[in-house]
Amino acid sequence: AQSVTQLGSHVSVSEGALVLLRCNYSSSVPPYLFWYVQYPNQGLQLLLKYTSAATLVKGINGFEAEFKKSETSFHLTKPSAHMSDAAEYFCAVSQAGGTSYGKLTFGQGTILTVHP
Amino acid sequence: DAGVTQSPTHLIKTRGQQVTLRCSPISGHKSVSWYQQVLGQGPQFIFQYYEKEERGRGNFPDRFSARQFPNYSSELNVNALLLGDSALYLCASSPQDQPQHFGDGTRLSIL
Repeated sequence: AQSVTQLGSHVSVSEGALVLLRCNYSSSVPPYLFWYVQYPNQGLQLLLKYTSAATLVKGINGFEAEFKKSETSFHLTKPSAHMSDAAEYFCAVSQAGGTSYGKLTFGQGTILTVHP
Repeated sequence: DAGVTQSPTHLIKTRGQQVTLRCSPISGHKSVSWYQQVLGQGPQFIFQYYEKEERGRGNFPDRFSARQFPNYSSELNVNALLLGDSALYLCASSPQDQPQHFGDGTRLSIL
């Protein structure tokens, strides 16, 4: 069984400040990990993925995440927040390989608010 | 290339009715998955189909069913609708060994 816990349902930062969104996972097998972003009334867009290669993963829009097996964490960061980053962010886990990409377990989501 | 397309975008039904939601994957994607996203929660996995075969099913009652057609499009059917079925239903497609691309969803409201 797999699960994801996102710490903090709401995070608020000022424009230009560091963004840190926390994700911890539980998995009995080597996981693949993902971060998705959802803007209002839209589907989910993939930001980045970890698939057992480099532990520091760079994604789109300046986001990156680091896989830490010892801490079972996959936190999402961005050095400088933009107003356009305001959205809901979801961490997700799947089993490694093949069609398992199609069976994602999502966290509850974190709403990011960016203040001018 | 067109993304994942879902229809309809919005739907209103009453309790006890049946509904069919449709999804067209990105061209060349053979895997289609369905998710239910209740307001304020993360998406919950319902089904995955690959090459027209069911590859996984989430913890949903038998009122939920799906199928995939030879052109890889898919339908999700829900019978005997309950108020709790009100949600955004997301379809996602992917090629083998690649992450999913999501559609914008169908928002289903049950009165």
